[in-house]
Amino acid sequence: ETGVTQSPTHLIKTRGQQVTLRCSSQSGHNTVSWYQQALGQGPQFIFQYYREEENGRGNFPPRFSGLQFPNYSSELNVNALELDDSALYLCASSPGPFSGNTIYFGEGSWLTVV
Amino acid sequence: AQTVTQSQPEMSVQEAETVTLSCTYDTSESDYYLFWYKQPPSRQMILVIRQEAYKQQNATENRFSVNFQKAAKSFSLKISDSQLGDAAMYFCAYRSLNNAGNMLTFGGGTRLMVKP
Repeated sequence: ETGVTQSPTHLIKTRGQQVTLRCSSQSGHNTVSWYQQALGQGPQFIFQYYREEENGRGNFPPRFSGLQFPNYSSELNVNALELDDSALYLCASSPGPFSGNTIYFGEGSWLTVV
Repeated sequence: AQTVTQSQPEMSVQEAETVTLSCTYDTSESDYYLFWYKQPPSRQMILVIRQEAYKQQNATENRFSVNFQKAAKSFSLKISDSQLGDAAMYFCAYRSLNNAGNMLTFGGGTRLMVKP
């Protein structure tokens, strides 16, 4: 148990819709990152938030956006959903934005786009 | 950009025996971190072992150990005395010191099956 919780666990959306996924980081962790894991593949880094600011982004279009709140919880928003957005979305937290910190993952949110 | 390659999509091992999972990576950096993560059916990524590139000594964690060959850019995971609970997807991951701290680059994974 890592203390990183995500919601919802599963959801189905229609192409073109928007979705919001939520993550509560482990207590004391001020850095949150999001990953997309397509079926049969390794996770891909979407972005990282530190103290409510995005401070790192992977190769994802602007329709993937996020927020981090003062309590360090986070949201991932995806607009104009496409079929290829169907994936497991993993949230991870750490006690700081530095590479030496251990990263803890949640169990993910399964998104299916139909 | 860094890349991580796992050339074994599936591996199988008999319970109590030893298995080695392979990983190679490509980078121009001299200092970085490497990880092995386990992903069981629950889908939560669990850290198995971590290696700092500046350390020559191979990391060990109970039944798990790595063979880190920096010059060859190879990072294999050895699981000794395999147990049924070791069955899962295993991902090798790279972490740069120059990117966002939580940015991991993952390989495509190896599915490990453990036979009783």
